[in-house]
Amino acid sequence: AQSVTQLGSHVSVSEGALVLLRCNYSSSVPPYLFWYVQYPNQGLQLLLKYTSAATLVKGINGFEAEFKKSETSFHLTKPSAHMSDAAEYFCAVRASRKTSYDKVIFGPGTSLSVIP
Amino acid sequence: KAGVTQTPRYLIKTRGQQVTLSCSPISGHRSVSWYQQTPGQGLQFLFEYFSETQRNKGNFPGRFSGRQFSNSRSEMNVSTLELGDSALYLCASSLGQGVHEQYFGPGTRLTVT
Repeated sequence: AQSVTQLGSHVSVSEGALVLLRCNYSSSVPPYLFWYVQYPNQGLQLLLKYTSAATLVKGINGFEAEFKKSETSFHLTKPSAHMSDAAEYFCAVRASRKTSYDKVIFGPGTSLSVIP
Repeated sequence: KAGVTQTPRYLIKTRGQQVTLSCSPISGHRSVSWYQQTPGQGLQFLFEYFSETQRNKGNFPGRFSGRQFSNSRSEMNVSTLELGDSALYLCASSLGQGVHEQYFGPGTRLTVT
């Protein structure tokens, strides 16, 4: 079975500071991992995905995430926060079995605030 | 390509009524998943349909049901509405195989009074 935890339900950073949002997963098989962002009153937008091709994954809006198998982590980072990054961020996992159709499991989300 | 569309965007219903929500996936996508999002419970998986068949189901009562049509459009129905059903209902489409990244619609905001 798969599960996702996100450390910190709320994170505040100053504009221009490093953004670090934490995600740890549990999976009995190699996982596919995703980060999504949700702006107020909108659906979720895919930021980036890990599919085993490369451990460092670059996404949209300057975000990237690094897959660390030994730590079962997939933390999201951005070197310099912008006011427009204020949103809710969700980490998600899915088993990468080719012959099954496991559902995607979402973490509880982290709300990011950017202080001017 | 057009994105995922959901109708209606906003809905107000009374306890005991039923409601039907609609989702049109991205062209070529064969999988549609439904989620309920509330401040207290976060994102909860309702069900997934692939090629008109329910492929996965979450832990919701039988009042919640869905279906998928041959053109991949999907509907979900909630019967005998309760106050606790007030939520944002999100639909996500994907190819349904491979990596299975999902693309979300804007959601339907359901308020039950």
